Amino acid sequence: QKEVEQDPGPLSVPEGAIVSLNCTYSNSAFQYFMWYRQYSRKGPELLMYTYSSGNKEDGRFTAQVDKSSKYISLFIRDSQPSDSATYLCAITGGGNKLTFGTGTQLKVEL
Amino acid sequence: EAGVAQSPRYKIIEKRQSVAFWCNPISGHATLYWYQQILGQGPKLLIQFQNNGVVDDSQLPKDRFSAERLKGVDSTLKIQPAKLEDSAVYLCASSLNSNEQFFGPGTRLTVL
Repeated sequence: QKEVEQDPGPLSVPEGAIVSLNCTYSNSAFQYFMWYRQYSRKGPELLMYTYSSGNKEDGRFTAQVDKSSKYISLFIRDSQPSDSATYLCAITGGGNKLTFGTGTQLKVEL
Repeated sequence: EAGVAQSPRYKIIEKRQSVAFWCNPISGHATLYWYQQILGQGPKLLIQFQNNGVVDDSQLPKDRFSAERLKGVDSTLKIQPAKLEDSAVYLCASSLNSNEQFFGPGTRLTVL
């Protein structure tokens, strides 16, 4: 079993849709949860960072963590074509060592 | 603030040849990371430096990969000899003192 599981997609949605991206993890020692966005031929950039169960909102993005289920989600409201990218979840138990999911490729169509 | 710089951006070599990648982290960032990202997968940590010391190189294939960070700033990652399965994007990242890592654009390596 991989430490972090993520559906690779691709996921295609119409503009304006609500997008839900998810990851599951196996190690209960993981404490910090991140979502990175990676455009084609670019390096990943940090979108959201949280360390507790519950929701964290930043503009159109909401990160949700459920430690009891070992499940994390990223919601994108009012999705735009510019949101088309690969979204990577990344988790760490501390010590700055990140374990990444495989990434979900998202396409938002006009 | 300048981001993480990497060069070259693209490299094509034949198997058994050697190759080197260079990374210049964000100024003042003590921690530097090298990741390998194979197509369709998430980045996998190869090595982590804290200043010029190695913190974690447990997933670095040491028979062919080497990395150094002289003077605690720039870093180079070398592969010698390269294999077909080394075809990937090699990402460099740096961080100051938190879990937030800033990534460079990567070097796309193709081994023929």
